[in-house]
Amino acid sequence: QKEVEQNSGPLSVPEGAIASLNCTYSDRGSQSFFWYRQYSGKSPELIMFIYSNGDKEDGRFTAQLNKASQYVSLLIRDSQPSDSATYLCALDSSYKLIFGSGTRLLVRP
Amino acid sequence: SQTIHQWPATLVQPVGSPLSLECTVEGTSNPNLYWYRQAAGRGLQLLFYSVGIGQISSEVPQNLSASRPQDRQFILSSKKLLLSDSGFYLCAWSSRDDDYGYTFGSGTRLTVV
Repeated sequence: QKEVEQNSGPLSVPEGAIASLNCTYSDRGSQSFFWYRQYSGKSPELIMFIYSNGDKEDGRFTAQLNKASQYVSLLIRDSQPSDSATYLCALDSSYKLIFGSGTRLLVRP
Repeated sequence: SQTIHQWPATLVQPVGSPLSLECTVEGTSNPNLYWYRQAAGRGLQLLFYSVGIGQISSEVPQNLSASRPQDRQFILSSKKLLLSDSGFYLCAWSSRDDDYGYTFGSGTRLTVV
């Protein structure tokens, strides 16, 4: 069973700070990784995907992938209260996305 | 642009009753389709996926079934619901031509009483 592990949190950061969300995975063969944001009671929405080792930036979001260490992270700069949500890490495995259980982020005003 | 529709938004059903949830995708052809379930405070569990009409792969043994009668239609069913079937059911689609992740429908919150 391919697994994706995330700390459930909550991770609490003050407004304007950098939030760092981490995810580890067990399948060394995984090639594609995704971060989703899920507000309470809503469906997940895709924030970023990353395929290559290193960093990928999109606005206030940066995804980081290290395949040798089997971890992927998401940095949120200048965190806003509207970023408070659960962040789900996922990896692609033969037509399927395998999700972690998510990390709850709280941004304090 | 592509859109995914899922209904109903909420459903309260008695134990032992049947279930039918429907999902349709517009603006694309030959999508991969998925049904996920999310229990309260938990992660997403893949239930079924389909890469073509009439093709269904099941991920977990349960009293649920899925069907894909048309290219862009995916249906989740049960003949007799259990209390443990309660949860947030999400349909999703992805393109076969790229690897840009899945797009989810708005979900159905099912409560079995």
